[in-house]
Amino acid sequence: GDSVTQMEGPVTLSEEAFLTINCTYTATGYPSLFWYVQYPGEGLQLLLKATKADDKGSNKGFEATYRKETTSFHLEKGSVQVSDSAVYFCALGGSMGDKIIFGKGTRLHILP
Amino acid sequence: DTGVSQDPRHKITKRGQNVTFRCDPISEHNRLYWYRQTLGQGPEFLTYFQNEAQLEKSRLLSDRFSAERPKGSFSTLEIQRTEQGDSAMYLCASSPQGGRTDTQYFGPGTRLTVL
Repeated sequence: GDSVTQMEGPVTLSEEAFLTINCTYTATGYPSLFWYVQYPGEGLQLLLKATKADDKGSNKGFEATYRKETTSFHLEKGSVQVSDSAVYFCALGGSMGDKIIFGKGTRLHILP
Repeated sequence: DTGVSQDPRHKITKRGQNVTFRCDPISEHNRLYWYRQTLGQGPEFLTYFQNEAQLEKSRLLSDRFSAERPKGSFSTLEIQRTEQGDSAMYLCASSPQGGRTDTQYFGPGTRLTVL
């Protein structure tokens, strides 16, 4: 069945460091891909999405490109801030119905 | 746009008791979803509605679980004869129409603790 695999955390970086969180997927059909973020004490929020191959989603300095050939959707940010500390979930949707399938999440800690 | 709301935010119950959660989606969103999230895991799909029709149920949704959306607006999720394994965060989400490109907007969740 469809699935998402993302790098395990926690990931700890210093402020202004470059961030990559790897995500790969397995899916039939043509899913949409998402990154959701969960800040401490808050609900899940959509960070960015891409709906077809080679699309790049971007928001708040974060980017991810839908790579069909490598079935990947890695999250990147050039310079992280303390306020980026959160749990990040890679997810896919729409391949087999309307449910979203989430990865296990990657906890990110940014040190000042 | 007030966002998706869920009530209660926290529920502590004893094993064997019944509990009911409510979700109010974003106004005019036709699709409503329920997910469950356990500690250290991503959310897992439970069920979803298109207006008042329940279109899909996960095999995670045992006979003790029932969900309704009677008027196509708010939804309730009931768990009968709760077990300790039901302890989790129950998340509700809504989207305008559904489909592969539609964004699902999540509520803050209801955290259930079964003693």
